[in-house]
Amino acid sequence: EVQLVESGGGLLQPGGSLRLSCAASGFTFSSYSMNWVRQAPGKGLEWVSYITSVSSTIYYADSVKGRFTISRDNAKNSLYLQMNSLRDEDTAVYYCARDCGDYGGTFDYWGQGTLVTVSS
Amino acid sequence: DIQMTQSPSTLPASVGDRVTITCRASQSISTWLAWYQQKPGKAPKLLIHKASGLESGVPSRFSGSGSGTEFTLTISSLQPDDFATYYCQQCYSYPWTFGQGTKVEIK
Repeated sequence: EVQLVESGGGLLQPGGSLRLSCAASGFTFSSYSMNWVRQAPGKGLEWVSYITSVSSTIYYADSVKGRFTISRDNAKNSLYLQMNSLRDEDTAVYYCARDCGDYGGTFDYWGQGTLVTVSS
Repeated sequence: DIQMTQSPSTLPASVGDRVTITCRASQSISTWLAWYQQKPGKAPKLLIHKASGLESGVPSRFSGSGSGTEFTLTISSLQPDDFATYYCQQCYSYPWTFGQGTKVEIK
């Protein structure tokens, strides 16, 4: 069974940093591209970042470019999102999602999400 | 960026109804479109990929159609478990973008 389990969320002040993790199991993690997608409270879905299976290609949404860094450790079956210079508008549930698209961008399995709250 | 617009935003419906949700893209995306279902407090679930491809395990009452800029998600006979919010999403070009969502609620 495919499982994705996010961790690392919390409450922090604007300007702070946080590192999210996503532990994957039930599939060959090193064979799949992965994504982070977020959802602000009561709002819709926003794609955040994408990384290919061997980290050769990485994309970011403009809203996080230069502040967030996606990475992965295939030996540990783990995906990460380093979040720096956090802003109020980064408050959201962050989901990791497996990518099944031919060229990226289709998310077939999602974790349960981890809540990041940025507030002074 | 490609803008995705769904209509309606809210859809009151009853069990047994045929329900159709429309998604329009701001430019042609061929059939690079997915549909997701999300229930409160839960992660989204992939229903349809490449505009009309039904994901494994998804009931056959769900179907998708369209190409270019206009797409539809149809539920042929609404079931109690289908009351949820539905999102379309383009995977034609980065950054991948979602529609604003359509909430199917009990009439």
